Amino acid sequence: DAKTTQPPSMDCAEGRAANLPCNHSTISGNEYVYWYRQIHSQGPQYIIHGLKNNETNEMASLIITEDRKSSTLILPHATLRDTAVYYCIVRVRNTGTASKLTFGTGTRLQVTL
Amino acid sequence: DGGITQSPKYLFRKEGQNVTLSCEQNLNHDAMYWYRQDPGQGLRLIYYSQIVNDFQKGDIAEGYSVSREKKESFPLTVTSAQKNPTAFYLCATKGIYGYTFGSGTRLTVV
Repeated sequence: DAKTTQPPSMDCAEGRAANLPCNHSTISGNEYVYWYRQIHSQGPQYIIHGLKNNETNEMASLIITEDRKSSTLILPHATLRDTAVYYCIVRVRNTGTASKLTFGTGTRLQVTL
Repeated sequence: DGGITQSPKYLFRKEGQNVTLSCEQNLNHDAMYWYRQDPGQGLRLIYYSQIVNDFQKGDIAEGYSVSREKKESFPLTVTSAQKNPTAFYLCATKGIYGYTFGSGTRLTVV
């Protein structure tokens, strides 16, 4: 299984861009990078995902390096409501038809005034 | 609205008792998952099911059991064999566009 490595915590000033890194050096060619976030005592919320190309949606941008061994989630204008734990996940596909989603410990982003 | 409903939100159990956590979805997703989260920790996979009447053990299946008799439902039973059942339990489904999570059940053993 491809593993991910994220810093345990980061701080960001409100209104500034938050750049959250993730290493996934053992990622396979057909595995996607997903980002989720979890606000305290709630279920994780999907943010964005990508395979090779950079992706952008209304919530964030995802930058994937050319060798696909790392990626960065960018929240362009962080607000206090973005304070959460952010998970970088590589989708694992088993040899059969089943697939499972494996979480690491994530990065706790604290947005401050 | 389509989504996942987990119930109850809070659950208290006496030691030695089995308890069942409910997960219902109306997203028409085939795959469903159960995760456990401990304070300050990431999510750990307990069980998952790709289709009705089929399920697979995750990383920490001991002390848990599941069933998948209907596409919409994937209940999790925490048995008395689970040594440290106090945790936050999350149910999820997987569709074409990714994974959707429920709001969780917080189980406390008293």
